[in-house]
Amino acid sequence: SQKIEQNSEALNIQEGKTATLTCNYTNYSPAYLQWYRQDPGRGPVFLLLIRENEKEKRKERLKVTFDTTLKQSLFHITASQPADSATYLCALVPKDSSYKLIFGSGTRLLVRP
Amino acid sequence: EAGVAQSPRYKIIEKRQSVAFWCNPISGHATLYWYQQILGQGPKLLIQFQNNGVVDDSQLPKDRFSAERLKGVDSTLKIQPAKLEDSAVYLCASSLGLERNEQFFGPGTRLTVL
Repeated sequence: SQKIEQNSEALNIQEGKTATLTCNYTNYSPAYLQWYRQDPGRGPVFLLLIRENEKEKRKERLKVTFDTTLKQSLFHITASQPADSATYLCALVPKDSSYKLIFGSGTRLLVRP
Repeated sequence: EAGVAQSPRYKIIEKRQSVAFWCNPISGHATLYWYQQILGQGPKLLIQFQNNGVVDDSQLPKDRFSAERLKGVDSTLKIQPAKLEDSAVYLCASSLGLERNEQFFGPGTRLTVL
């Protein structure tokens, strides 16, 4: 069956450290993958998009990698801050789809001061 | 630039009643999406419009859910009759187009069905 898996357990880290979140997928062939941030009571906010032919994308303190062999994307936040505490969702767009975005269930990140 | 607007923000109804949600996307965005997000899960796409045509509604429970996009701008999502399992947050999102689908989400409508 097709799955997108993110750690259901919250990631708890100290301020200043690098947070690394994982997104694994099964039985999908993604054209590209997106990462979103969601705060309680709010809609998701787009962060980064990475295409299948890209290995890495950066934006300020954020970095995303995409390994189509491992069927995995990693999302890194360097020099993490308490304000980075939120749920982070990965989503992929399968090839041969109507550009339909399929979301994982998200990982909650808690950054301790 | 104004964001995606949704109303109401909260709605409580009893099962078998009907309910409607409204969404106004970002001006100029051709593609509009409705998602259902159950607590602890990621958003699940219900329906996707390109202008006023339906691109994907494969996961829309068509026996009780309906949606339309008026003149390719605003959209409404209706549930009739509601079931307990419809309790969720209903999110509307829009994007410039199908390929340019960095999506901008509204704040959502939290529906509770009693």
